[in-house]
Amino acid sequence: DTEVTQTPKHLVMGMTNKKSLKCEQHMGHRAMYWYKQKAKKPPELMFVYSYEKLSINESVPSRFSPECPNSSLLNLHLHALQPEDSALYLCASSQPGNTPQHFGDGTRLSIL
Amino acid sequence: EDKVVQSPLSLVVHEGDTVTLNCSYEVTNFRSLLWYKQEKKAPTFLFMLTSSGIEKKSGRLSSILDKKELFSILNITATQTGDSAIYLCAVAPNTDKLIFGTGTRLQVFP
Repeated sequence: DTEVTQTPKHLVMGMTNKKSLKCEQHMGHRAMYWYKQKAKKPPELMFVYSYEKLSINESVPSRFSPECPNSSLLNLHLHALQPEDSALYLCASSQPGNTPQHFGDGTRLSIL
Repeated sequence: EDKVVQSPLSLVVHEGDTVTLNCSYEVTNFRSLLWYKQEKKAPTFLFMLTSSGIEKKSGRLSSILDKKELFSILNITATQTGDSAIYLCAVAPNTDKLIFGTGTRLQVFP
């Protein structure tokens, strides 16, 4: 088990549904990240929050909406997703600056 | 454009063998290079390298960075079946971003 907890572990949703992915860390980290990982590919950065403020958005479509309610929590709100959005969504955290990122186990998302 | 290239893409060895995984990079504003091991789920952190020529070691794993030639290697000695995984190299061009290579898939057979 990792120190970054993601829920749910699996999610199946239709293209018209609205759902949210959740990520929690209690390591006192002040930077949190969302990555998307397709099968047999490396993780691709989506969003970065630093001190609870969005610092990087890698041109992600607006059907993905991140939220950082406090320094321990990170959400990813999903709406009107496409089948090609099916992937493993990984959350990570670190201290801002040049420190290693620690990953959660991910949410495996399937869009029908 | 920033990029990270790993080789080989795939490696099959027997237990007890020694393996060397390669990572080369081209990035602006290099800050650090990181190695991760990914089995079925979360990538787990192995090493972070910021200075050339200083070996980092953890048990049977070791890694070194060459900032002049822009590459790093990850060595695993006396491999075990539990070492089977995808090994990811990532470079941090600034404080909040990681650029991953495509990974090396290592399979260790008994």
